Amino acid sequence: DAKTTQPPSMDCAEGRAANLPCNHSTISGNEYVYWYRQIHSQGPQYIIHGLKNNETNEMASLIITEDRKSSTLILPHATLRDTAVYYCIVRNYGGATNKLIFGTGTLLAVQP
Amino acid sequence: KAGVTQTPRYLIKTRGQQVTLSCSPISGHRSVSWYQQTPGQGLQFLFEYFSETQRNKGNFPGRFSGRQFSNSRSEMNVSTLELGDSALYLCASKGGTEAFFGQGTRLTVV
Repeated sequence: DAKTTQPPSMDCAEGRAANLPCNHSTISGNEYVYWYRQIHSQGPQYIIHGLKNNETNEMASLIITEDRKSSTLILPHATLRDTAVYYCIVRNYGGATNKLIFGTGTLLAVQP
Repeated sequence: KAGVTQTPRYLIKTRGQQVTLSCSPISGHRSVSWYQQTPGQGLQFLFEYFSETQRNKGNFPGRFSGRQFSNSRSEMNVSTLELGDSALYLCASKGGTEAFFGQGTRLTVV
């Protein structure tokens, strides 16, 4: 699985959009980008995933660059409850394996 | 639909003891994986089970083992506990494209 690079921390004002970047320059053609978040001492929560097209669900939007070497997770209107560590993971779609390789993630602090 | 259930939520053990943690996946999910989370090492993959067979194993010593039952419930066992085994142990079940995590078992070794 390709390695990802994320900034260690970011701040965002409540009500504003939070844009979390992720670099995955070694991603291969059959690998998807997955985002999870972990609120303090809870289990990671799935947010969204995508291959090459932009994706949106009720939680967030995922923007993947055309060369697929980087992506951005967008929380459109951040709330205090969105304060968490956000992990960007690259892995084969669905796949036979349930193995996820977590990096250090980005600690998003939403400020009131 | 019930989520992933891990028991117990908290556990305190003494060095040298052994411990068994349990994970009940989402109904219908056949894949269960286990992770260890510590402040120093972050989230690390332990092993994965699918249809009662171990499919993947992380880089952990043989003191860490697991199994999966025919109903997909899984257990992990740690023998001869060390202080460094203190961690949050998470399991995840997968039935499609996403993995869903339980709340974890917080193990403290004293």
